[in-house]
Amino acid sequence: QKEVEQDPGPLSVPEGAIVSLNCTYSNSAFQYFMWYRQYSRKGPELLMYTYSSGNKEDGRFTAQVDKSSKYISLFIRDSQPSDSATYLCAMSARNAGNMLTFGGGTRLMVKP
Amino acid sequence: GAVVSQHPSRVICKSGTSVKIECRSLDFQATTMFWYRQFPKQSLMLMATSNEGSKATYEQGVEKDKFLINHASLTLSTLTVTSAHPEDSSFYICSARFLGNTEAFFGQGTRLTVV
Repeated sequence: QKEVEQDPGPLSVPEGAIVSLNCTYSNSAFQYFMWYRQYSRKGPELLMYTYSSGNKEDGRFTAQVDKSSKYISLFIRDSQPSDSATYLCAMSARNAGNMLTFGGGTRLMVKP
Repeated sequence: GAVVSQHPSRVICKSGTSVKIECRSLDFQATTMFWYRQFPKQSLMLMATSNEGSKATYEQGVEKDKFLINHASLTLSTLTVTSAHPEDSSFYICSARFLGNTEAFFGQGTRLTVV
């Protein structure tokens, strides 16, 4: 079993839909949680960063962390075709030197 | 967010030659830099971690004599693929982190094609 599990998709939604992307993890030591967006043939871009449990909102994006369930989510409101990309969750633990462990990525397609 | 510049974005080289990829942190001092390899439709595979002024730490299965990493300054790390072979063709991405931070910022990636 991988340390971080993420459905590879593809997830196809119509423009304007609310998108929910999720990751589960097994290491209870993870404290820092990140979401990256990666367009084809480009490097990942940091979208959201959260520490421990709770919600964080930034524009159309909301990140949620539920440490008790070892489950994190990224919600995208009013999705746009430009949101079509691969979304990678990543997490780290202080006792592991804050090395990032990535999920496999979910490919999202937002259709006009 | 912080800016990491990676160069070149694409390179084609002949089998047996060496290729150098540069990764620069433009607006912060990167105490730690990471090099990843990514195959099509797959996630990032960590190759090595380098701290400024010290030798890189390579992940299991990554040949350190083939993938030479230098992190000579707080703003520059280089990855040299030596004696490249077609199986080295891949997408290479660097990321950088500054002291006290947990997020990593990524370069644009380099697509290497060995012919």
